[in-house]
Amino acid sequence: DSGVTQTPKHLITATGQRVTLRCSPRSGDLSVYWYQQSLDQGLQFLIQYYNGEERAKGNILERFSAQQFPDLHSELNLSSLELGDSALYFCASSPRRGSSYEQYFGPGTRLTVT
Amino acid sequence: AQSVTQPDIHITVSEGASLELRCNYSYGATPYLFWYVQSPGQGLQLLLKYFSGDTLVQGIKGFEAEFKRSQSSFNLRKPSVHWSDAAEYFCAVGALHSSGGSYIPTFGRGTSLIVHP
Repeated sequence: DSGVTQTPKHLITATGQRVTLRCSPRSGDLSVYWYQQSLDQGLQFLIQYYNGEERAKGNILERFSAQQFPDLHSELNLSSLELGDSALYFCASSPRRGSSYEQYFGPGTRLTVT
Repeated sequence: AQSVTQPDIHITVSEGASLELRCNYSYGATPYLFWYVQSPGQGLQLLLKYFSGDTLVQGIKGFEAEFKRSQSSFNLRKPSVHWSDAAEYFCAVGALHSSGGSYIPTFGRGTSLIVHP
């Protein structure tokens, strides 16, 4: 158990819909990272937040957005969903500001878009 | 841009045999290198990391990896594989992200380890 929690574990929704994935980092970790894992693209970095501020942006679509709240939990919002958005979405946390020296991954949310 | 290549999509070994998973990276500066393991239905777990110093690093679960700068490689090894080692293994290179001051890992596509009894 990494100490990172993600909810829900599974999500099935229809095209065009909007969903919110939630992540709680390990106690004391200030950085949260979001990744998408698919068979086509592998593990892709989406976005990083540090202590409530966006820190780095990767291959995140404009239809996706994220935020980190004062209690440090983070949410990833996916809208206008397409079939190709079906994937595993991982959250990871890290105590360090500017590095990925240690990233602790949650168990993931499996999103299925039908 | 940095990249990671794991040339073997699948590796099959017998229980008790030795294991080596290959990883080659491309990065212009000194890399931060990682190996992660992902069991079915689970998130990624850090096995070991290299930042600097001794090029042979020890990790959890009896794994080790050797950084070879001249070959741009960071191969993962284990002397005797257990059935519970069957999983997906990911190599990653941490590099300074273009959009900010964070080091973000770029992952390889993974190697699936199959262990025969």
